[in-house]
Amino acid sequence: DADVTQTPRNRITKTGKRIMLECSQTKGHDRMYWYRQDPGLGLRLIYYSFDVKDINKGEISDGYSVSRQAQAKFSLSLESAIPNQTALYFCATSDKWTSGSSETQYFGPGTRLLVL
Amino acid sequence: QKEVEQDPGPLSVPEGAIVSLNCTYSNSAFQYFMWYRQYSRKGPELLMYTYSSGNKEDGRFTAQVDKSSKYISLFIRDSQPSDSATYLCAMSGGSNYKLTFGKGTLLTVNP
Repeated sequence: DADVTQTPRNRITKTGKRIMLECSQTKGHDRMYWYRQDPGLGLRLIYYSFDVKDINKGEISDGYSVSRQAQAKFSLSLESAIPNQTALYFCATSDKWTSGSSETQYFGPGTRLLVL
Repeated sequence: QKEVEQDPGPLSVPEGAIVSLNCTYSNSAFQYFMWYRQYSRKGPELLMYTYSSGNKEDGRFTAQVDKSSKYISLFIRDSQPSDSATYLCAMSGGSNYKLTFGKGTLLTVNP
């Protein structure tokens, strides 16, 4: 079984609809992240969470919200979807940073979202 | 100046060629350097990780970091069609949570 799973894998929705993307992990990591990936723009950080009670905005949080339901679960919501939120969305996890360790992040398979 | 610059390609090479992928960066606080590989319709996966300057080799892959020039490279020897993917460089300052990614280079290895 995959360590980081995302549901749904594909989603088509209409402008103005609220949708939720879900992420679960079995790696036991405290840190979780949501990114979006667009052609020519690379990966951009939307939100990140260092633990259940710690949630932070990334570089492009407008129009998004998140919920960290448990250590293993981190959900991303689009409050009122718009066409320019059409993108590939990735969840990622990482372990607590310690001196000498890396900031390695482990990615889920992605959710392809189309907003009409 | 963007923090991390990476030529998006695309780069097309024949099977067996040596491939060189590169990134430059501007933030001198970066200490951890990574290369991720992303196959089409998949999530990025960690390929190589290097701390500070120097070289690291893993099979056909070699990662190099030159902090004095703020330049990192990934070399692929004897490239295979299965190496066809997008390669993203990433780096961080350690205690800083944030991984800064390059935009990725699309590589195609032709049989």
